[in-house]
Amino acid sequence: GENVGLHLPTLSVQEGDNSIINCAYSNSASDYFIWYKQESGKGPQFIIDIRSNMDKRQGQRVTVLLNKTVKHLSLQIAATQPGDSAVYFCAETGGGGTSYGKLTFGQGTILTVHP
Amino acid sequence: NAGVMQNPRHLVRRRGQEARLRCSPVKGHSHVYWYRQLPEEGLKFMVYLQKENIIDESGMPKERFSAEFPKEGPSILRIQQVVRGDSAAYFCASSPFGKGPYNEQFFGPGTRLTVL
Repeated sequence: GENVGLHLPTLSVQEGDNSIINCAYSNSASDYFIWYKQESGKGPQFIIDIRSNMDKRQGQRVTVLLNKTVKHLSLQIAATQPGDSAVYFCAETGGGGTSYGKLTFGQGTILTVHP
Repeated sequence: NAGVMQNPRHLVRRRGQEARLRCSPVKGHSHVYWYRQLPEEGLKFMVYLQKENIIDESGMPKERFSAEFPKEGPSILRIQQVVRGDSAAYFCASSPFGKGPYNEQFFGPGTRLTVL
């Protein structure tokens, strides 16, 4: 893949701070976006999703922002906790038909939360 | 409530051997997806299956790789004549059949394949 040999971006924060993780997506036809959290040795875990007809969606302690003009997605985590330490991936899908079965994942960002 | 189950969790094979990875979806889920993850990379889509039917295999290598989701039993991802470049974590996800175009995919813990 195009990211072979590259290290993942990292973000280090102090416990209690807010975290912002960014993602650029590639397919302008995508209309559904998801953020996943992956802890070491585990599969991705759903955090929050957003459809292309929205530009903001809030969950518990998390907010996702979507800017379709520049194809940018961000995940904001409020009051970050040590348990939030993980790799975070954005994923996109859509375009109609069976393409909804196929998630395209971004590179990922390593979040480290210091107590 | 059992989530997606994958076995084995770790698999070691020598070059030229076959690897069989199994995935049991969430009970009631009719769609299964396989993804591959290399170290420090995101997951890459391989194949999307429904019971007894391959819907999208656009991410599957043309040779040595095959997948099935039979009417009964788990989904199987089969890799023949493995090479070192096949070493990766393989994740399975499942989703229910729903009315909308997108159904949330629930991921299993993955199978880590090491080819010696």
